[in-house]
Amino acid sequence: NAGVTQTPKFQVLKTGQSMTLQCAQDMNHEYMSWYRQDPGMGLRLIHYSVGAGITDQGEVPNGYNVSRSTTEDFPLRLLSAAPSQTSVYFCASSYGDRAATEAFFGQGTRLTVV
Amino acid sequence: GNSVTQMEGPVTLSEEAFLTINCTYTATGYPSLFWYVQYPGEGLQLLLKATKADDKGSNKGFEATYRKETTSFHLEKGSVQVSDSAVYFCALRIQGAQKLVFGQGTRLTINP
Repeated sequence: NAGVTQTPKFQVLKTGQSMTLQCAQDMNHEYMSWYRQDPGMGLRLIHYSVGAGITDQGEVPNGYNVSRSTTEDFPLRLLSAAPSQTSVYFCASSYGDRAATEAFFGQGTRLTVV
Repeated sequence: GNSVTQMEGPVTLSEEAFLTINCTYTATGYPSLFWYVQYPGEGLQLLLKATKADDKGSNKGFEATYRKETTSFHLEKGSVQVSDSAVYFCALRIQGAQKLVFGQGTRLTINP
């Protein structure tokens, strides 16, 4: 069972470089999200999507871009990496927007910006 | 607004000890409450959840009860094992909202 797959698992970038974090899910979930995890701050929502072609901003969207061309894929783009974007990034998916719906998470991408 | 506050970590216990990790919340709507666990090198996975007041979620020996009167969802386990060493996150979700609101996480280490 693949679930939510993120690539790469680790990445080091230089300040100003751009890159794309990949996320794919095979559960036919409508809802997909990107979170970043920083020490002492839990997970914070960057962007989310409620279906193909529909995306919206979360609480910390600056410096990131997303698109959703298919149900399965939800890539996160860093436009010009900054040291403040050093973090662990998690992609999540869920079937619906009911409060009780479980979210499924990928294994994370640990990004270091130097 | 909506927020979750967890007890400060890290927490270190001996095997077979009793565990409590406190979690309190504030919510503008009527939330569902979750505990997620993150084992070393892995993503988050759902441990248990509760969707209405006085519900008790349970899984793998862990329990948490949705207390609306105290706005709490404390995680408990009667006898912890080394394999329970992980980071535990309390979270809430409001009906119709895409966003999960997380606490800061509590790192638990169990020593043999």
